[in-house]
Amino acid sequence: AQSVAQPEDQVNVAEGNPLTVKCTYSVSGNPYLFWYVQYPNRGLQFLLKYITGDNLVKGSYGFEAEFNKSQTSFHLKKPSALVSDSALYFCAVRDMDSNYQLIWGAGTKLIIKP
Amino acid sequence: KAGVTQTPRYLIKTRGQQVTLSCSPISGHRSVSWYQQTPGQGLQFLFEYFSETQRNKGNFPGRFSGRQFSNSRSEMNVSTLELGDSALYLCASTPQHLAGDPYEQYFGPGTRLTVT
Repeated sequence: AQSVAQPEDQVNVAEGNPLTVKCTYSVSGNPYLFWYVQYPNRGLQFLLKYITGDNLVKGSYGFEAEFNKSQTSFHLKKPSALVSDSALYFCAVRDMDSNYQLIWGAGTKLIIKP
Repeated sequence: KAGVTQTPRYLIKTRGQQVTLSCSPISGHRSVSWYQQTPGQGLQFLFEYFSETQRNKGNFPGRFSGRQFSNSRSEMNVSTLELGDSALYLCASTPQHLAGDPYEQYFGPGTRLTVT
């Protein structure tokens, strides 16, 4: 079955340290992968996506993600965390060989401590 | 361009009533999707409309319905409200034409529905 897993409900990072938010997926075909961020009482905002090509994708606000096909992962990273990065992060995958439905992870709450 | 707009932003209804939520996509976007977001269940897909046709549907009861108009604006309706329907309802639009187009979704701010 198609699925997306974000294994950590919450990630705590000190300001200035690197951060990683994990995402793994299981789809039957080739995936399109997305990361979104949600600030309190707001809708989701698009951060970045992987379609094809270079496995390292750069996105908004200094975030990047690495697509790893062998590990079926698409982890979100940032070299130096800011307190303002504190938010809820969602990973999503569109299975291009199935019905194209977007499948969402459960979300990871990122807390950056000063 | 104006972003995705949703009205109303907040709504309080009584159990058993019905409610209609509205979503105006970004100009030129023809695909509109609806989601329910709750603290316990995360982001749950309700349905997707494209050119006034429902293209995908999530696993929600028939009390949840939607439609899309010729100008791409969309509405969702929930009949016979239950306490468990209290949630943030999000609308998202994309410029995609084919279901497999690699476009990201643009979300509105949501409608916070409280059922008492």
